[in-house]
Amino acid sequence: QSALTQPRSVSGSPGQSVTISCTGTSNDVGGGSYVSWYQQHPGKAPKLIIYDVVKRPSGVPDRFSAFKSGNTASLTISGLQADDEADYYCCSYGARYTWVLGGGTKLTVL
Amino acid sequence: QVQLLQSGAEVQKPGTSVKVSCKASGYTFINYGIIWMRQAPGQELEWMGWITPYNGYTNYAQKLQGRITMTTDTSTSTAYMELRSLTPDDTAVYYCAAAFCFSATCSSIKTYFEHWGQGTLLTVSS
Repeated sequence: QSALTQPRSVSGSPGQSVTISCTGTSNDVGGGSYVSWYQQHPGKAPKLIIYDVVKRPSGVPDRFSAFKSGNTASLTISGLQADDEADYYCCSYGARYTWVLGGGTKLTVL
Repeated sequence: QVQLLQSGAEVQKPGTSVKVSCKASGYTFINYGIIWMRQAPGQELEWMGWITPYNGYTNYAQKLQGRITMTTDTSTSTAYMELRSLTPDDTAVYYCAAAFCFSATCSSIKTYFEHWGQGTLLTVSS
């Protein structure tokens, strides 16, 4: 059982938007600006797509956005593309040098 | 550019140990802390622990305490993760990743992982 709760799967058609939620507690997600999101294609290492709750690394399209409200963080992918089909993981820094992860959400582009 | 190159796939028998390496290049080794994560087949990512390369400070996931040891060799810019008393449940892909430290002691860090190794598949089977 993962510390952070994500939906197991979401789906959308090309061009549509989907939102993936990530629910934790005041000790992790709700405790600061330490939420990050990772995209993982099959057989590949995770790739950072969001950090510090809302920021995008250079090279990540602005179709990827995120926010947080209370103990729940959310990732929105707009203008869905076929290559967005992947697993998405939220991650939160907790206590000193510890991290907790969500169980992952499989995004299917219909 | 920052690169993390992990050692190759391993097959180990139950009860034995494995040591996976993660060689860093493209940056000053002590400028980044190293974490290890693993992913069992078809399962989610699991955080395993952290190490500060400068002073070897570690923090391990509670469920792995007593079975895991993380070390670094600053002379070769390499991090190591040793897991002992292996069981089939340890079969997974193991990843190292790096988090930027604002000082050598990593007293203040970026809490996310921009750089990842390619993964090392460990199979535990008799």
